[in-house]
Amino acid sequence: TQLLEQSPQFLSIQEGENLTVYCNSSSVFSSLQWYRQEPGEGPVLLVTVVTGGEVKKLKRLTFQFGDARKDSSLHITAAQPGDTGLYLCAGKYGNKLVFGAGTILRVKS
Amino acid sequence: EAQVTQNPRYLITVTGKKLTVTCSQNMNHEYMSWYRQDPGLGLRQIYYSMNVEVTDKGDVPEGYKVSRKEKRNFPLILESPSPNQTSLYFCASSLRQPTNYGYTFGSGTRLTVV
Repeated sequence: TQLLEQSPQFLSIQEGENLTVYCNSSSVFSSLQWYRQEPGEGPVLLVTVVTGGEVKKLKRLTFQFGDARKDSSLHITAAQPGDTGLYLCAGKYGNKLVFGAGTILRVKS
Repeated sequence: EAQVTQNPRYLITVTGKKLTVTCSQNMNHEYMSWYRQDPGLGLRQIYYSMNVEVTDKGDVPEGYKVSRKEKRNFPLILESPSPNQTSLYFCASSLRQPTNYGYTFGSGTRLTVV
């Protein structure tokens, strides 16, 4: 059983659509990071959220950390083919960084 | 350019033949780590190093060895590879604790053991 559950596992949408992916846990995390991994490359850090209820924006991407610090969401507005990739969340659990299995996003033009 | 460089990118080997995957970072990061990525299982930590000559086991260390003789290099050694070590491997570095600073990842090494 994964400490961090990401949903959906796969998402295929048309260019221009909006989407939200989720990262959930039964445990409280001190902080949470989001990464994007493009095909054939390593993950790249997008954002770190630390405070419960925190919202951060990165261009068309909006990241939210749940009030109880057990969940997080990533919302993409007007998705583009360049957004295609694997989105990973990683939570600080004790002194460890625990990764979810990821959401594979495909944006079709 | 700040980066983590790992080699080779692709490797096919036979069971039992020792191999080394190299990893080097040019950012003067203290913390380095190796992960394997398997479908549905996400990234699992193999070994990590908090500084030179300091290494420790991650979640899946069996069948692997590491060393950290210099700050910039952190090679992953498979003494006797087996087919269940077929995977995508990533080296990553962080200024200090990745829980606070996040990781910079290499581009990955796809290993197939036949």
